[in-house]
Amino acid sequence: AQSVTQPDIHITVSEGASLELRCNYSYGATPYLFWYVQSPGQGLQLLLKYFSGDTLVQGIKGFEAEFKRSQSSFNLRKPSVHWSDAAEYFCAVGGNNNDMRFGAGTRLTVKP
Amino acid sequence: GAVVSQHPSWVICKSGTSVKIECRSLDFQATTMFWYRQFPKQSLMLMATSNEGSKATYEQGVEKDKFLINHASLTLSTLTVTSAHPEDSSFYICSVASGGLSSYEQYFGPGTRLTVT
Repeated sequence: AQSVTQPDIHITVSEGASLELRCNYSYGATPYLFWYVQSPGQGLQLLLKYFSGDTLVQGIKGFEAEFKRSQSSFNLRKPSVHWSDAAEYFCAVGGNNNDMRFGAGTRLTVKP
Repeated sequence: GAVVSQHPSWVICKSGTSVKIECRSLDFQATTMFWYRQFPKQSLMLMATSNEGSKATYEQGVEKDKFLINHASLTLSTLTVTSAHPEDSSFYICSVASGGLSSYEQYFGPGTRLTVT
């Protein structure tokens, strides 16, 4: 069964600083990987996804993620964080049965 | 992607009563929908997979007699929390499985906040 680990529960960065959120997955076949963002009391918004092809994936709001099969990782990055990026971020892995498993989430705080 | 709505967005009910939550796919015919539960400051946990015209598939540990799922049409799935108790208070989110080439992607509703008093 697939699983996702987000090692960092909470990260604080200064506005304008770079950001990297870690995600490691476990899946027996080719994984389909996703990053979602959730603001308090809101649903999930898809930031980006990886199905196949180029391992560096560009998403919305200036986010990107890199799939590294050898490390079973799919880390999310942003070169310069904005205060509006403060939210909860979830990494998820899915398979061809439409099943999806989420990581525990990383809460991002942005300092002025 | 598909647009998914949920109704109500929040609900307060008394212990012992039942609550129905609707999940609608507004622009997409969804043969498969998913129901998740999210406790405060926790991740989403899959409760069940809802298939149009057939019985839902429940995850281990989820009581199917307590969380009744009906997927009667390609645009509507409902989750009924029966005999609700305070421990059922949670954020319930539905999603729609897309079809075609991106059949592995899900589109999420805005969620329903349930508070049981």
